[in-house]
Amino acid sequence: GQSLEQPSEVTAVEGAIVQINCTYQTSGFYGLSWYQQHDGGAPTFLSYNGLDGLEETGRFSSFLSRSDSYGYLLLQELQMKDSASYFCAVRVTGRRALTFGSGTRLQVQP
Amino acid sequence: DTAVSQTPKYLVTQMGNDKSIKCEQNLGHDTMYWYKQDSKKFLKIMFSYNNKELIINETVPNRFSPKSPDKAHLNLHINSLELGDSAVYFCASSERPGTGEAFFGQGTRLTVV
Repeated sequence: GQSLEQPSEVTAVEGAIVQINCTYQTSGFYGLSWYQQHDGGAPTFLSYNGLDGLEETGRFSSFLSRSDSYGYLLLQELQMKDSASYFCAVRVTGRRALTFGSGTRLQVQP
Repeated sequence: DTAVSQTPKYLVTQMGNDKSIKCEQNLGHDTMYWYKQDSKKFLKIMFSYNNKELIINETVPNRFSPKSPDKAHLNLHINSLELGDSAVYFCASSERPGTGEAFFGQGTRLTVV
């Protein structure tokens, strides 16, 4: 099976930088995705890392290290609207759906 | 136009009833999913269809029955509802099975009383 670990809660202030870590244990790992979910809303796709390294999309970046079974989501210039839950999810070979972590609740304070 | 739409958004029903949730996607994707999100926000796959064919059927009570009339639609029927079925049910779609990018519907909050 697969297991993913991410912190349950992170707090940061507006304008700051925050990093949300995700470690995983899977067989046949293919890639790591990140999703954002506001309270009462749907998960929305943020990024996908299929290869080691950093992927940047505006204020958000995501990193993957396959050798360490580890990835992170980096949010820069935090805004109040970034307060949400963030989920990492793994794509594994032979399994035709994403497996999600338990989510990290990010609270951005003024 | 909403990419993945599901109805209803809210569903309150009594134990023992039967209910259905409908989902439609206009993205032209081949794969659709049902995920369940519990009160602790854990997202768990229930079913996955690829081109109307069931490809994932997780350990879900057989009171839950998905149906895909065509590749743009995936419905979920639940028989004999129980209190523990209360959750948010999300429909999602992707281009291919298990790809890293999936598009989610707005969710159906099911409350069984």
